[in-house]
Amino acid sequence: GENVEQHPSTLSVQEGDSAVIKCTYSDSASNYFPWYKQELGKGPQLIIDIRSNVGEKKDQRIAVTLNKTAKHFSLHITETQPEDSAVYFCAAPLGFYNTDKLIFGTGTRLQVFP
Amino acid sequence: GAGVSQTPSNKVTEKGKYVELRCDPISGHTALYWYRQSLGQGPEFLIYFQGTGAADDSGLPNDRFFAVRPEGSVSTLKIQRTERGDSAVYLCASSPARAGGTDTQYFGPGTRLTVL
Repeated sequence: GENVEQHPSTLSVQEGDSAVIKCTYSDSASNYFPWYKQELGKGPQLIIDIRSNVGEKKDQRIAVTLNKTAKHFSLHITETQPEDSAVYFCAAPLGFYNTDKLIFGTGTRLQVFP
Repeated sequence: GAGVSQTPSNKVTEKGKYVELRCDPISGHTALYWYRQSLGQGPEFLIYFQGTGAADDSGLPNDRFFAVRPEGSVSTLKIQRTERGDSAVYLCASSPARAGGTDTQYFGPGTRLTVL
């Protein structure tokens, strides 16, 4: 089955610096890789996702890169702001089909200091 | 438009009691998922519905847990004879489940269950 590993578990950066969170997955059939942001007391919110037919996707200050050969994908946040502070989760589906359950990483607590 | 809603937001119960947790998915979404999130962990899959039927219930921990979605919209997660270890945040997500490729899952705010 799918196994998703995420690191680091905590990350502290100064406002304006960049932050990078990395995940590896085990199921080579996985074709969809979302990133979720979770603030205290709230549900996970999708911030960006990437499908296996591209290697990189960018949305303003957030980007995701995918290396299918190495089976890892990364979240990049540039020009970090205090409101970026939250727990971030990567995920990968167990399998190929559009109805697959997601397997989540263990999360990265990002703290952005003013 | 409205997102996924879950009620109640918090539920405190005593060991051995029965609880029901409700999820209202995004209108028109045919796929619905239940996950459980323990403190400091990522969400863990419990059960997935496609329409009214449970297509995959492999994540339900034991037979005390059961979920229904009788009309293909609202879903209820039912937990019998609650145990302290059931304490967690129960998350619901829905997805349009279009053909071809995995669809985005949109999460609700969760129900925090505390079993005393």
